[in-house]
Amino acid sequence: GAGVSQSPSNKVTEKGKDVELRCDPISGHTALYWYRQSLGQGLEFLIYFQGNSAPDKSGLPSDRFSAERTGGSVSTLTIQRTQQEDSAVYLCASSPPRGLNYGYTFGSGTRLTVV
Amino acid sequence: GDSVTQMEGPVTLSEEAFLTINCTYTATGYPSLFWYVQYPGEGLQLLLKATKADDKGSNKGFEATYRKETTSFHLEKGSVQVSDSAVYFCALTLPTSGTYKYIFGTGTRLKVLA
Repeated sequence: GAGVSQSPSNKVTEKGKDVELRCDPISGHTALYWYRQSLGQGLEFLIYFQGNSAPDKSGLPSDRFSAERTGGSVSTLTIQRTQQEDSAVYLCASSPPRGLNYGYTFGSGTRLTVV
Repeated sequence: GDSVTQMEGPVTLSEEAFLTINCTYTATGYPSLFWYVQYPGEGLQLLLKATKADDKGSNKGFEATYRKETTSFHLEKGSVQVSDSAVYFCALTLPTSGTYKYIFGTGTRLKVLA
């Protein structure tokens, strides 16, 4: 597609349930990032995928969070046993192979509300 | 560690006013610097960038100059419009970081009144 697509755009879930958030990057973009944007906070790095390399998971806040990227394209961020503090906007971004100085392209995000 | 500090908002201006949003950074090495903008209901968009000292990034009437001596990258616009109302994020990335992940500031909300 023309941009980074995220789904769902909004998700309300009950505390303790698992959720899956999907990101479909721009075709040909080998790098994919997940960030979290909490109310009043900046963007918090979660995880980074680059081609077939091992992902950089250093930003995942707990072992309830995991992500995978299948076939070097679509990525799924999974949050198990959701907690209220997980409520945030989850942003996905992708960039081309040498995109460091070209910036990311962000999706519109998934707004997660845990009740 | 590496960090970005932005002025707190919200910033409220009248149309055609001059805008400055301050951004300073702390980084080991030589970062590339960016401003992103997030319009209501939309994702973040790259506004402008500068990759080395004294570079000036510009786009849509916005400018920012990479000042190594003051570790700053302040965003300016000479005459704001209502359509500029958005949240602005300053960010850096380090070419040697391997991951190329951004470090973002907390964002500054700009509201422009007609």
